[in-house]
Amino acid sequence: SAVISQKPSRDICQRGTSLTIQCQVDSQVTMMFWYRQQPGQSLTLIATANQGSEATYESGFVIDKFPISRPNLTFSTLTVSNMSPEDSSIYLCSVEDSAEAFFGQGTRLTVV
Amino acid sequence: EDQVTQSPEALRLQEGESSSLNCSYTVSGLRGLFWYRQDPGKGPEFLFTLYSAGEEKEKERLKATLTKKESFLHITAPKPEDSATYLCAVQAHLFSGGYNKLIFGAGTRLAVHP
Repeated sequence: SAVISQKPSRDICQRGTSLTIQCQVDSQVTMMFWYRQQPGQSLTLIATANQGSEATYESGFVIDKFPISRPNLTFSTLTVSNMSPEDSSIYLCSVEDSAEAFFGQGTRLTVV
Repeated sequence: EDQVTQSPEALRLQEGESSSLNCSYTVSGLRGLFWYRQDPGKGPEFLFTLYSAGEEKEKERLKATLTKKESFLHITAPKPEDSATYLCAVQAHLFSGGYNKLIFGAGTRLAVHP
């Protein structure tokens, strides 16, 4: 099974600033997924990131707000831009490995 | 529209008191149904994948079953360490976008008391 490391594990940020979350996988994977989990709610897919191409965003999420990089097959970043308190959530990176989906530990973001 | 509904929203059990969690789904062509366990402050931990109606999988005190409309996660003689949120997700066959998206339910918060 894939092992996923996310950094930072948590952060408190000022509104109007940006935070970049890193996701490192211990094996090469084609697709990496970024999810958001708002307080008390389930996971919502933000976007899918393929190496060498632009990320595909779900309805309600846009590249200007959540730019994603995927420079190689083991690494991706998600930036939460121009943050507001409504962006306070847990952000999770996920990969598929042998038809199973694995998740990182998440980044707990609080915007004040 | 593809949808996943979990019930109950929260469940409180005494240690040893067996019960079941429900996951109802509507999806245009099921590729797989996933069960995850999530502890507070952590990412979801993979438990099971079920692919076809009638399939069952077991792991320790947990058993997952699947029908054409729903899945059950049966917990036999639970212990306090089984306390967590249990998430169900479905994956449909490939969309035009070329990837298999997971659609999650809201989860069931399970508390097992000694």
